[in-house]
Amino acid sequence: GESVGLHLPTLSVQEGDNSIINCAYSNSASDYFIWYKQESGKGPQFIIDIRSNMDKRQGQRVTVLLNKTVKHLSLQIAATQPGDSAVYFCAELYRSYIPTFGRGTSLIVHP
Amino acid sequence: EPEVTQTPSHQVTQMGQEVILRCVPISNHLYFYWYRQILGQKVEFLVSFYNNEISEKSEIFDDQFSVERPDGSNFTLKIRSTKLEDSAMYFCASSERTEIYFGEGSWLTVV
Repeated sequence: GESVGLHLPTLSVQEGDNSIINCAYSNSASDYFIWYKQESGKGPQFIIDIRSNMDKRQGQRVTVLLNKTVKHLSLQIAATQPGDSAVYFCAELYRSYIPTFGRGTSLIVHP
Repeated sequence: EPEVTQTPSHQVTQMGQEVILRCVPISNHLYFYWYRQILGQKVEFLVSFYNNEISEKSEIFDDQFSVERPDGSNFTLKIRSTKLEDSAMYFCASSERTEIYFGEGSWLTVV
């Protein structure tokens, strides 16, 4: 089975709302996690990362939360904009620096 | 901003033909990767390359696939005898260590 997965395949929000995208992982030994954004017809774009020795990391309008107890990762996007519409993937890494991707959540932002 | 570049952006080939997909990684990066994404599915790891040799490969990366770094800048993926199920977007990526940058992808259609 998959080691990384997402709870919701599609998330629809209104422009200006905050978005929360969730991800579950199964390898408790994973020590590094990345969120990627993929726009239609493009390659995955790095958004933010977090190491397993942290539980929260903030970027510009984005925050990643890591709960190692329940092996859960989330991406929060503040004041979501139409340009945030994309598929979001979480990826976990363990030792090998090779990200393993989940299936992705499609974020749809309505103006 | 430095970027990973890939050519061709789109290639249509007949089943059984050989295909070479080309990539120019970011110049100071040491780790190189190929991933693929079948339409509507998740991004799947194929192979990683470091120090002029394959460091890891997935089950997908069977004998019909090969990678090469023929000179100091290019990184190629060769598919020897294409099958219909090889139709996918192929992404090249590179990294210094953990932050991995993806190219825009090469869309391969096998007919």
